[in-house]
Amino acid sequence: AQKVTQAQTEISVVEKEDVTLDCVYETRDTTYYLFWYKQPPSGELVFLIRRNSFDEQNEISGRYSWNFQKSTSSFNFTITASQVVDSAVYFCALSEARGYGGSQGNLIFGKGTKLSVKP
Amino acid sequence: GAGVSQSPRYKVAKRGQDVALRCDPISGHVSLFWYQQALGQGPEFLTYFQNEAQLDKSGLPSDRFFAERPEGSVSTLKIQRTQQEDSAVYLCASSQGTSGGGGETQYFGPGTRLLVL
Repeated sequence: AQKVTQAQTEISVVEKEDVTLDCVYETRDTTYYLFWYKQPPSGELVFLIRRNSFDEQNEISGRYSWNFQKSTSSFNFTITASQVVDSAVYFCALSEARGYGGSQGNLIFGKGTKLSVKP
Repeated sequence: GAGVSQSPRYKVAKRGQDVALRCDPISGHVSLFWYQQALGQGPEFLTYFQNEAQLDKSGLPSDRFFAERPEGSVSTLKIQRTQQEDSAVYLCASSQGTSGGGGETQYFGPGTRLLVL
């Protein structure tokens, strides 16, 4: 069964600290896609990154970086030198290849990690 | 439009009332998804459209939930005889729908917050 687990419910850090948000996933498919979304207090889900299962190369975008490890089924997200504006709920999500097991490419979300960055 | 829009942003309904939630996807996007997000939880899939065809409605919680996209662009999610457990944020997302293989990036609207009293 497909599942995404974000074990950290809430994290609180002080500005400029580094913080890592964990994501562990389960899937039977060999082709799948992983995503991170940010949900600020306004409520809209903001896309951050998409990775496919064949690309394990880590990615860095400014203060954000992602560590994808198939061996541990993890796709962790690190924010370096956190800022107050990073405060939000962050969701990790999984999408299987369309058609597998009836999937139409819908996203399966974790429960989210609420990050609070204090000044 | 530039992004996905949804209306209304907030809706208060009395139990038993029917409600209709609208989603206007990104222009040209073939795929459209509806999700339900309960308080403190991640979004959960409700239904999926490819153009006007509803290809998956496996996530709809009951036959009181109905969705349509008659012309392949704007979609409406209708909830009949609302119950208190229907209170949630309803999110709409769209994607290009050109890859044919799933896994496309979905872009979300701001959501409609429904409160059933």
